[in-house]
Amino acid sequence: RKEVEQDPGPFNVPEGATVAFNCTYSNSASQSFFWYRQDCRKEPKLLMSVYSSGNEDGRFTAQLNRASQYISLLIRDSKLSDSATYLCVVNMPDSNYQLIWGAGTKLIIKP
Amino acid sequence: EPEVTQTPSHQVTQMGQEVILRCVPISNHLYFYWYRQILGQKVEFLVSFYNNEISEKSEIFDDQFSVERPDGSNFTLKIRSTKLEDSAMYFCASSEVGRAYEQYFGPGTRLTVT
Repeated sequence: RKEVEQDPGPFNVPEGATVAFNCTYSNSASQSFFWYRQDCRKEPKLLMSVYSSGNEDGRFTAQLNRASQYISLLIRDSKLSDSATYLCVVNMPDSNYQLIWGAGTKLIIKP
Repeated sequence: EPEVTQTPSHQVTQMGQEVILRCVPISNHLYFYWYRQILGQKVEFLVSFYNNEISEKSEIFDDQFSVERPDGSNFTLKIRSTKLEDSAMYFCASSEVGRAYEQYFGPGTRLTVT
């Protein structure tokens, strides 16, 4: 089983729509969760940390479900500039620094 | 906004040659990292560095790889004898004390081994 699993997409979504992705992780001992976005041939950029209580940053909402070991990202009122690959990232248990990366979900926002 | 910088942006080298990739982390960050991403694949952790020594390294980071902080600002990754399969994008990242997982990435160096 993959450590961090994501639907690769692409998700083709009209501008202004709401889109959600999920990510599952295999190790229940993981404690820290993140969403990064990566534009084509660019570096990953931290989008948001995911907290147990869920958190929101503008149009973006992240949720954590520990019981089912999944993380979600919801994007409301999507913009053309939201087109990117969204990477789900989880800490490696028993490590202070290592992150385990999903392969990403590609999102394409269409005008 | 402070950012991580990397040089060169693209490096082409022949198999068996040594390469040094350079990074300048964000100035108040104390944790530094190297990652690689083979085209179309996942980001992979290589090594973390703190207090002038390697903190953790992955299985990928074998004896061909080394890291160094030669002065107060630069952080380098050396690949001693490059192989074709080392062709990838190499990202440097840094983070603050207490926020080791919130990592900020440089733009990357595309390494092409021919």
